[in-house]
Amino acid sequence: AQSVTQLDSHVSVSEGTPVLLRCNYSSSYSPSLFWYVQHPNKGLQLLLKYTSAATLVKGINGFEAEFKKSETSFHLTKPSAHMSDAAEYFCVVSEPHSGGYNKLIFGAGTRLAVHP
Amino acid sequence: GAGVSQTPSNKVTEKGKYVELRCDPISGHTALYWYRQSLGQGPEFLIYFQGTGAADDSGLPNDRFFAVRPEGSVSTLKIQRTERGDSAMYLCASSQQGYTGELFFGEGSRLTVL
Repeated sequence: AQSVTQLDSHVSVSEGTPVLLRCNYSSSYSPSLFWYVQHPNKGLQLLLKYTSAATLVKGINGFEAEFKKSETSFHLTKPSAHMSDAAEYFCVVSEPHSGGYNKLIFGAGTRLAVHP
Repeated sequence: GAGVSQTPSNKVTEKGKYVELRCDPISGHTALYWYRQSLGQGPEFLIYFQGTGAADDSGLPNDRFFAVRPEGSVSTLKIQRTERGDSAMYLCASSQQGYTGELFFGEGSRLTVL
């Protein structure tokens, strides 16, 4: 079975400093991995996805993530945090199923706080 | 509308009552998912529809939960004899094809059972 572990439940950074949100995955297949963001009172939004192409994936709003198979990690980074980045971030692995669909398995989430 | 629409956005009910939550997916999306998100947790899969049929309902917690999608568009999640433990955010998502893994989520329906 697929699973993801987000290593930090809360991360706090100052505006303008780098962001690192850590995620480890467990998968018996070559995984598809995603990061979703959830702002207060908003729907989940896809930040970026990895599907076995380039290991460094660029997403929206300056975020990127690197797939490292040897470390089973898919950490999310951003060089410089902005106040608007404050939100809940979810690392997600896709679990393939017969019938041709993928079930998304979510991590517990990391709440990012950005301070002036 | 342009996005996934869920109604009601908030529902407060009493223990034992029946509840319906509605999801209107993005037009043309054949795949529809329901997830449940408890406070401080990530969303958990409930059920997946491809067209009108429930292709995978393995995430429904018990037989009090049921979902339909009679015309392959709007879906309704139905909860009978609600319990306090059912209190959560219920999320609906849709996609053009079931296997891409990229889902478009609605803002959710927050259910509170008193």
